[in-house]
Parts: sequence; C-alpha cells; structure tokens
Amino acid sequence: EDQVTQSPEALRLQEGESSSLNCSYTVSGLRGLFWYRQDPGKGPEFLFTLYSAGEEKEKERLKATLTKKESFLHITAPKPEDSATYLCAVRISGSARQLTFGSGTQLTVLP
Amino acid sequence: EAEVAQSPRYKITEKSQAVAFWCDPISGHATLYWYRQILGQGPELLVQFQDESVVDDSQLPKDRFSAERLKGVDSTLKIQPAELGDSAMYLCASSPGGVAEAFFGQGTRLTVV
Repeated sequence: EDQVTQSPEALRLQEGESSSLNCSYTVSGLRGLFWYRQDPGKGPEFLFTLYSAGEEKEKERLKATLTKKESFLHITAPKPEDSATYLCAVRISGSARQLTFGSGTQLTVLP
Repeated sequence: EAEVAQSPRYKITEKSQAVAFWCDPISGHATLYWYRQILGQGPELLVQFQDESVVDDSQLPKDRFSAERLKGVDSTLKIQPAELGDSAMYLCASSPGGVAEAFFGQGTRLTVV
C-alpha cells in the first residue's frame, strides 16, 4: 500500500536554529514529490516539485532534497514568519496519477 | 496572478441539511481535485476530474456526496444530508495535468451543528 509519512509531527525552533523536516514514502512508481506550506485556516501554498533522486530545489531559507525513499525540507536560519504546517505529497504512476498527502509537520519558530 | 477561487469561505449548516461548495480552477487547468482536510491531518482526496470526467472518486461517500464539472471548467461539490462528522475544511485544487504541481484555493470551512 502506498504511504507517505512525515516527521516530526511538530517542531519548535528558536529563530536562527536550522533544522530539517522529513517525508518518507513507500510508493510504486513515483512521478513527483511536492512540498506545500499551509497557514492556519488557509489552503496549502505550493513550494517545490522534485521528480528524481538527487534533485534539489531552493527558495529563500528553504531547500528541498529527494532520495529514492525520502525527501528533506531543510530550513536555514528560520524566522518566526516561517511558522506554518509543511505538507509533502507524492504523485504516483497510474491512470489517475493521484496526489497523496502526508499528515504534515507543524513548525513553530520562536523569536 | 491566477488563483483557484472557492466559495463560500465559511459555512455553518444543521445536520440533515444540504450544502454545496463551488470551485473555479485556474484557467486552462484540465485536472481538478476536491480534498477534505480534518484539523491536524493532511488533505484526503475525495474526487479528481480530468476535464469533465471523473477519474477517481474511490474515497467519495457516494451515498451523501456528489460532485460535478459539467463543462470541464468550474465544479460543485454537494453534501446531502450533512452529518456532524462532515465538519472539515474542503479544499479545491487544479493542475495543468500530467505530473505538474497542483494549486489550491483558500478552502471552505464547513461546520455541521
């Protein structure tokens, strides 16, 4: 069965304290891994797409990487405004190419 | 900047009543998704359209939920009758298709009382 697992469930960091969020997946036929940011009461906001192992994408303080079994979202010197829930999703091969989400990591950055 | 539009943003309804949500995807996006998100969990797919055709509704509770995308553009999700357990955020997303990323609307927060 296809599964997407995110860890940790919650993470509290001090401003400037770098860390990483993990998204591990067991799917057959990965056709893309996506990271989203979600603020309370709002829809997910697209951040990155990764298609193949070894690929990396960067945006401001965020860097996403992909291996054959997992993806990491590295946050360098976070600021309080980076506080949000970070979701990863995978798209698998098949006729419908569903987009399946993990349960998210709730990040809190303290000033 | 193109956005996915959803309405209403908030809806309170009594159990056993009917409720409907509307979504207008980004222009030209062939794939449209409806997701349900319970607080503290990730979004769960309810139904996926490719143009006007349903390609996946395996998780849609078909005894009470229905979805349509008649002209392959905007879409409506309906619940009849609503139950207390339907309280959640209902999210619409669209994608150009293939393996491209999906873009989400702001969602409809449904509360069933």
